Amino acid sequence: GNSVTQMEGPVTLSEEAFLTINCTYTATGYPSLFWYVQYPGEGLQLLLKATKADDKGSNKGFEATYRKETTSFHLEKGSVQVSDSAVYFCALSEAGSARQLTFGSGTQLTVLP
Amino acid sequence: NAGVTQTPKFRILKIGQSMTLQCTQDMNHNYMYWYRQDPGMGLKLIYYSVGAGITDKGEVPNGYNVSRSTTEDFPLRLELAAPSQTSVYFCASSNSGTTNTGELFFGEGSRLTVL
Repeated sequence: GNSVTQMEGPVTLSEEAFLTINCTYTATGYPSLFWYVQYPGEGLQLLLKATKADDKGSNKGFEATYRKETTSFHLEKGSVQVSDSAVYFCALSEAGSARQLTFGSGTQLTVLP
Repeated sequence: NAGVTQTPKFRILKIGQSMTLQCTQDMNHNYMYWYRQDPGMGLKLIYYSVGAGITDKGEVPNGYNVSRSTTEDFPLRLELAAPSQTSVYFCASSNSGTTNTGELFFGEGSRLTVL
């Protein structure tokens, strides 16, 4: 079956530091890959996505590249802000699966001023 | 601009009690889902529906039931609450067909405690 493995947290960074959150996946077909973000007390919201190999998803300064050869989708940001403090989830979905998402366990990010 | 609305936001149940978590969406999405989120475990799919009258089990369906009588509503029922069902529950929806980008739209969550 499908699975997503995420870098364990929590991660604590100073403002303007570089962020990487690792994500690797196992899938039987050709999945779409996603990063969702959950701010305190809220539901999840889509941060970025990539639907095929070598695609780069980007949003709000975050980027992730779909690497089929390493089955990875690592999240990066060059300079984090306090407002980026949240839980980040890597996820995948496959066509024909009613778009069910398989989630990683989440990574808690705290950015200190 | 409601999106996905869940009620209640918080609830405490005693072991053996029953309750229904309500979920409604106003985006005319065909696909709807219930996930539970346990600390450090990510989200697990409980049930999902691809349209009115159609439901199917996800990864962790035991102890839950769902129905989908309309496109808008997808309630989740707990019949005999157990401490293992203490969790945060999220309802989500997405569109179907060629316009589907795979993005799910989530409600704000319902925090359930079973004592």
